[in-house]
Amino acid sequence: GQQVMQIPQYQHVQEGEDFTTYCNSSTTLSNIQWYKQRPGGHPVFLIQLVKSGEVKKQKRLTFQFGEAKKNSSLHITATQTTDVGTYFCAALDQGGKLIFGQGTELSVKP
Amino acid sequence: KAGVTQTPRYLIKTRGQQVTLSCSPISGHRSVSWYQQTPGQGLQFLFEYFSETQRNKGNFPGRFSGRQFSNSRSEMNVSTLELGDSALYLCASSSLAGGTYEQYFGPGTRLTVT
Repeated sequence: GQQVMQIPQYQHVQEGEDFTTYCNSSTTLSNIQWYKQRPGGHPVFLIQLVKSGEVKKQKRLTFQFGEAKKNSSLHITATQTTDVGTYFCAALDQGGKLIFGQGTELSVKP
Repeated sequence: KAGVTQTPRYLIKTRGQQVTLSCSPISGHRSVSWYQQTPGQGLQFLFEYFSETQRNKGNFPGRFSGRQFSNSRSEMNVSTLELGDSALYLCASSSLAGGTYEQYFGPGTRLTVT
């Protein structure tokens, strides 16, 4: 079945550094979603991208959807300790199931 | 609006037993999905219900089943529990309005099988 590969698995940064997580698929995606899960919490929806080449920003977070709609990225500028958590991408497969990437766990050292 | 609620929040069961978990979606949301989250496998899709009908099913054995009631509340059942079923079980609801599949997750039920 369709898989969504996400890298890196872990990222440790110093507060103020930038962070990027990448999501890749071998097949064209209809859309891609991003979620954040704080330690001990549950995933929280951040954004959905639909259009080829789409770029959306939420404050320090920038989300991109590749031109071929096979990859996506989430970039955080000047990380803060509140950014700690695991970031997941998710995409609908052909059957309509939401498939999640393995997630990137971000830790931020103050 | 109240968020997605799940009960119980924590559960300890013994191998071979069965368990039923409950999920109440956000008011007005008719789609309810269930996921299993483990450190090794990440978030795995179990099934989705919409208007009391199972719309999609993940690759889990038949021991995992679910249902949805007319008020959109959903339950999932796991029979003949195995140690490997220990996980966080997350329920998520969606309105599916405008073709978006934005999922609103509940706090989860932490199941430990001993």
